[in-house]
This record gives sequence, structure tokens and C-alpha cells, in this order.
Amino acid sequence: TQLLEQSPQFLSIQEGENLTVYCNSSSVFSSLQWYRQEPGEGPVLLVTVVTGGEVKKLKRLTFQFGDARKDSSLHITAAQPGDTGLYLCAATTSSGYALNFGKGTSLLVTP
Amino acid sequence: NAGVTQTPKFQVLKTGQSMTLQCAQDMNHEYMSWYRQDPGMGLRLIHYSVGAGITDQGEVPNGYNVSRSTTEDFPLRLLSAAPSQTSVYFCASSFLQGNTEAFFGQGTRLTVV
Repeated sequence: TQLLEQSPQFLSIQEGENLTVYCNSSSVFSSLQWYRQEPGEGPVLLVTVVTGGEVKKLKRLTFQFGDARKDSSLHITAAQPGDTGLYLCAATTSSGYALNFGKGTSLLVTP
Repeated sequence: NAGVTQTPKFQVLKTGQSMTLQCAQDMNHEYMSWYRQDPGMGLRLIHYSVGAGITDQGEVPNGYNVSRSTTEDFPLRLLSAAPSQTSVYFCASSFLQGNTEAFFGQGTRLTVV
């Protein structure tokens, strides 16, 4: 199993603050995905990064794939209460099919 | 377009009972999988399938069986429920090729007493 380590595990901030969460591994990935999960729901895909050094933006969210394709970060600018949720990174296993997930970062944004 | 549908949403079982968690998708996805989610443990893969008639084990397969007789359905069977199987179970599906999006159901919250 390719281990994906996410940090921090928990994050509680006030509305308007910026934050960065990380996803690290010792393995090289062909691609990496970020999902957000809200309470009582299944995870929903935010972005897929494929190329080393790639940066993708989704409104106030900025995703970066490390040059060596072993790590990724998610930066949120001016966080809002609607950003509250569990952020999960995921990568395909060596079989090429199954997705492995990190343990996630639980984000709480208070007004 | 229903996406991925899981039933039931909630279930309470007694230790030793068996049951089947249902999962159906209407997107013609080849790949389907089951995960369990426990506090602090993230999503752990139980079993997966790359097409009808083909299944394989994930990280935590013990105590669970699966079969894939059709493209649409991928049921998860608990053979003899144990309290350690108390968890939230998610079914997911995706196309098989490349870096495609996994679509998840809303989950089944199972409690074994």
C-alpha cells in the first residue's frame, strides 16, 4: 500500500484566513487527486494533478503537484465557512486501478 | 441521473448476523469499489472490481465478500457481523482508464451491537 500522509490532521481557523494543507508520500505518482467530503456525504472530486510542478486553481483554492510527483499541497485563500469539510488526497495504487486515500485534513472555518 | 446509489443508509446489526450492502451505478463505469471510513483512519479499500465477473481484495478485505454479476451492481456482503465492522461504508465507481473521477455514494452507516 502506498502511504499518503496528510497534515495537519485538524485545522480550525476564522473566516478570511489563509491556510495550506499537505499530502506527502515516499512514492512517485502518475497523478494525484484532491477530494472534499462534507458531513453525511461521500467525497467529491476537486481536482486531478498530473504533471510535476503543475499548479491548478479552483476559485480560492490552489493545488500544486510537487516537481518529483511525490507530494501535493492545497492552499485556500480567504477561507469561508462553506470551505468547512474533510479534505482528502488520493492516488492510484501500483495496480493502476484502486485509489488509496490519505487520512484527510478536517477543516473548520468559523465566521 | 442517479449516479451511485447505496442502500440502506443506516443499519443496526447484532453480532453474528449477515447482511448485504447494495450499490448501483448508472454511469456505465467499469470500475467499482467499496471503502470503509472510520474516525482518524481515512478511507480504507475493502474490495474492488474492474468489470463484471472480476473482483480483487483491497487493504481490509477480511469479513467481507463481493461479487460483480453486472456492470451496474456491486454488493458487499458481511458474512458474520462483528463490532469491529461498525463503520461508514462508501461505494465508488469510475471509468477504468486514466486519471478519472471517482463518484461516491452517500454512504451506509452500519452499527454492530
